[in-house]
Amino acid sequence: GNSVTQMEGPVTLSEEAFLTINCTYTATGYPSLFWYVQYPGEGLQLLLKATKADDKGSNKGFEATYRKETTSFHLEKGSVQVSDSAVYFCALSDRGGSYIPTFGRGTSLIVHP
Amino acid sequence: NAGVTQTPKFQVLKTGQSMTLQCAQDMNHEYMSWYRQDPGMGLRLIHYSVGAGITDQGEVPNGYNVSRSTTEDFPLRLLSAAPSQTSVYFCASSYLHRDQETQYFGPGTRLLVL
Repeated sequence: GNSVTQMEGPVTLSEEAFLTINCTYTATGYPSLFWYVQYPGEGLQLLLKATKADDKGSNKGFEATYRKETTSFHLEKGSVQVSDSAVYFCALSDRGGSYIPTFGRGTSLIVHP
Repeated sequence: NAGVTQTPKFQVLKTGQSMTLQCAQDMNHEYMSWYRQDPGMGLRLIHYSVGAGITDQGEVPNGYNVSRSTTEDFPLRLLSAAPSQTSVYFCASSYLHRDQETQYFGPGTRLLVL
């Protein structure tokens, strides 16, 4: 079956630090990969996505590259801000299956001034 | 567009009570789904629907019922609430097309079962 594994949090950083949140996946088909972000008290919203190998998704300074050979989709940002404090979810959608995404457990990011 | 709306925002129930969590979307999406979010567990799929009149079970369906009589609405029913159902519930919708699987989430319903 499909599964997504994320690094456990919380990840605590100072403002302007470099961020990496690791994500690896297992899929029976050729999935699309996503990062969603959840700000306190809100629902999830799409941050970025990639639909094929070597694609790079990017948004709001965040980037992630679809690495088929290592089955990974790590999230990076060069300089985090306090406003980036949130929970980040890696997810995959199996286009050969039901399209319903499988989510990782989420990684909490706390950025201090 | 209002996107995905959920009501109520917060609810307290006693064990054994029943209730319906409402979810509606105005984007004409085929797919709708219900998740629960618990600390350390991420999002777990309860039920989903690929179109009006079609529903299927997710990872944790026990104790919940759904129906999809219209494209817009996808209510979640708790038949006899239990403390283990204390959680935050999210409804989501999406298109059923390749490269269009982005999920749009509602703001959530916080449920406390005493």
